[in-house]
Parts: sequence; structure tokens; C-alpha cells
Amino acid sequence: GNSVTQMEGPVTLSEEAFLTINCTYTATGYPSLFWYVQYPGEGLQLLLKATKADDKGSNKGFEATYRKETTSFHLEKGSVQVSDSAVYFCALSALDTGRRALTFGSGTRLQVQP
Amino acid sequence: NAGVTQTPKFRVLKTGQSMTLLCAQDMNHEYMYWYRQDPGMGLRLIHYSVGEGTTAKGEVPDGYNVSRLKKQNFLLGLESAAPSQTSVYFCASDLTGGYNEQFFGPGTRLTVL
Repeated sequence: GNSVTQMEGPVTLSEEAFLTINCTYTATGYPSLFWYVQYPGEGLQLLLKATKADDKGSNKGFEATYRKETTSFHLEKGSVQVSDSAVYFCALSALDTGRRALTFGSGTRLQVQP
Repeated sequence: NAGVTQTPKFRVLKTGQSMTLLCAQDMNHEYMYWYRQDPGMGLRLIHYSVGEGTTAKGEVPDGYNVSRLKKQNFLLGLESAAPSQTSVYFCASDLTGGYNEQFFGPGTRLTVL
């Protein structure tokens, strides 16, 4: 079946530091890839997505590139802010047992200190 | 536009009690989903619906039932709650059945004692 593996957290950074959260996947066919963010006490919301190889998704200073050769979709941001503190989920959408399904990684908690 | 709403936000049950979680969306989406979120395990799909009057099992359906009598509502029922069902439950909806963005509700935190 499909699966997503994320680096374990928590990741603790100082404000303005560079962020990388690693994500690798296993899927049949050609999945679409997503990063969702969950702020404290809220539901998940889409941060960015990429639908084919070499696509780069970007939003709010975050970026991730769909790398088919390494089956990866690492999330990066050049300068994090305290307001970026949240849990980040990597996910893929692909066929699984005959239907399109969203498979999530276990999430990575980011804590940004002032 | 309220998006996806869930009621209640919090609930504490005793083992064996029953309850229903309500999800409502105002985006006219065909597809709706119930997930549970447990520490270190991401989100797991419980049940889903591809349209009014339809439901189907997801990855972890045991102990839950669902109904989609109206397009905008998706109900999740626990007939006899167990401590293993202590979790945060999220409802989501989308337009394209998993090809693009899913929209999530704020979650229901359920504790079963």
C-alpha cells in the first residue's frame, strides 16, 4: 500500500533560521503530493501541493519540490517566524485498493523560539 | 462561508455509551470523510462518502457507523464507546475525490473513560 514517512519531531528552531522537514513516500502510479499544516487547536489546512514530477509547490515562503527519482517532497523555508509554530503533515493522493485516497505521514511538530 | 464545521468540540464518554458526531459543509462538496488522529500516527480514514446516500469503509472502520442523509451533513456514530476510541476526530470534504485539496473541520476531542 501507499505510505508517507516524515522526520520525527519536535523540530525546535530560532526565529529566522532555515527549515527543512524531510518527507519520502511509497506509492503506486503517479501520486499528487501535499503539505498540510495544523495550528494549535485547529484542523488541517493545505499549505502547498505538487501534482507531477519536478513541480514546485510554494506558499507563505514555504517550498517543496516533487522529486520522483528520490520519491521525496521535502518542505523548506528560508526564514521561519514564531507564527510558523505548528504541526506539518506530508500527504499523498494516489489510487489505493481501487479508489483515490489521501495518505498522511505522522506529522512533524515545529517550535520556533523568538 | 463557514466551510466545514463539527459538533461537539469536546466530549467525555464512559465505556459502553453511545454518541454521534456531526459534520456539516456549505461548499456543495460531493465527497466527505471522517478521520481519527492519534499521537505519532497521522490521520487515518474511518469512513467516507462519495455522495448523498452513500457510505464506504476506510482504513479503520470497526466500532463506527456513518450516515449521509443530506449532501451537506455526514454523521459519525459510536454505538458502544471503548477506551481505544479516545482520539481527535476530523471531518473533511472535497470536490474531486482526493485529487486536490481537502477541507478540514476544527476537530472533536473525544475521551472514553
